[in-house]
Amino acid sequence: GENVEQHPSTLSVQEGDSAVIKCTYSDSASNYFPWYKQELGKRPQLIIDIRSNVGEKKDQRIAVTLNKTAKHFSLHITETQPEDSAVYFCAAYTGRRALTFGSGTRLQVQP
Amino acid sequence: KAGVTQTPRYLIKTRGQQVTLSCSPISGHRSVSWYQQTPGQGLQFLFEYFSETQRNKGNFPGRFSGRQFSNSRSEMNVSTLELGDSALYLCASTRDGANYGYTFGSGTRLTVV
Repeated sequence: GENVEQHPSTLSVQEGDSAVIKCTYSDSASNYFPWYKQELGKRPQLIIDIRSNVGEKKDQRIAVTLNKTAKHFSLHITETQPEDSAVYFCAAYTGRRALTFGSGTRLQVQP
Repeated sequence: KAGVTQTPRYLIKTRGQQVTLSCSPISGHRSVSWYQQTPGQGLQFLFEYFSETQRNKGNFPGRFSGRQFSNSRSEMNVSTLELGDSALYLCASTRDGANYGYTFGSGTRLTVV
């Protein structure tokens, strides 16, 4: 089945800096790659997603890039703010089985 | 519109007991997936139900089971509870597949003592 690896497990940045989280997937049939943000004590929420026919997608301060050849995708957050502090999960979906999540990255934005 | 509702929010059970958790999806969503979240293992997939049928199943023992009703509400049951079953159980609903975007419930925090 699909395996998703996520790095780093923890990331600390200064407010205003950029943050990058990277994920790799194993199943070349995966065609949908969402990112979820989970604040402490809250539910995971979808923040951005990308499909395999697109190489990059942006939404204000966040962007996701996809490299199908290398089977990796990344989340980029620019001008980080304290409210960006949370655990971020990447995921991959083939359309046949369930959504497979990475192990999560705890992002800490220092004011 | 109402979000995904999970009940109860918290549960404390004793080893060997069984437990039933409930998930009511967003109106119109026919797919409900269940995940177990633990600090060390992240989000582990349990099963997915679509139109009252189990469509996918994760690698959990047979003590974990579920079902879905005609109104798309879903329940999961864990029998013969073990200490290692302590976790946050999340359900997520979507119109059909995960590529429509999951909406998660707030979860049920299960503690087994």
